[in-house]
Amino acid sequence: SQKIEQNSEALNIQEGKTATLTCNYTNYSPAYLQWYRQDPGRGPVFLLLIRENEKEKRKERLKVTFDTTLKQSLFHITASQPADSATYLCALDGYSGGYQKVTFGTGTKLQVIP
Amino acid sequence: DTGVSQNPRHKITKRGQNVTFRCDPISEHNRLYWYRQTLGQGPEFLTYFQNEAQLEKSRLLSDRFSAERPKGSFSTLEIQRTEQGDSAMYLCASSLETQYGYTFGSGTRLTVV
Repeated sequence: SQKIEQNSEALNIQEGKTATLTCNYTNYSPAYLQWYRQDPGRGPVFLLLIRENEKEKRKERLKVTFDTTLKQSLFHITASQPADSATYLCALDGYSGGYQKVTFGTGTKLQVIP
Repeated sequence: DTGVSQNPRHKITKRGQNVTFRCDPISEHNRLYWYRQTLGQGPEFLTYFQNEAQLEKSRLLSDRFSAERPKGSFSTLEIQRTEQGDSAMYLCASSLETQYGYTFGSGTRLTVV
């Protein structure tokens, strides 16, 4: 069966360091992989999308890599700040039942310590 | 356009009652999605509309759940005969094309007592 795995344990890092979050998947051939940020009691906010033929994507302090051989994406936040503390969700975009839809992982909670 | 709007933000209902939620997507977005999220989990897909057509419905969705999107604009999600297991955050999202990501609303928090 299809599975998306994110580290369920919270990640605590010191302010200024680089945070690296992992997303692994099985039994998917996604066209796109997306990362979202979610704050408590709010809906997810779209951050970045990377296509299957792209290795890396950057946006300001964010960097995403996508390895379709390893079936893994890494999400990096450089020069992390306390305001980056949130849950980060990985989402795979693929076809299921004949239609394209996005399936989410369980998310990793990031805590940036001042 | 102020983004995706969901109403109400919170709903407390007694078991067995019917509830209806509303979602107003970004006006130019033709795709609309409903997801459900429980504590500590990622959003779980419920159903998907392209314009007014409901193209997919999760097998996890029982017959007590129904969604509509008349005229391809706003959407409603109704839960009949609510059960305590229906307690969750119900999220609506819209998109133009998947490659631009989804825009989510703030969700409706349902508590069934």
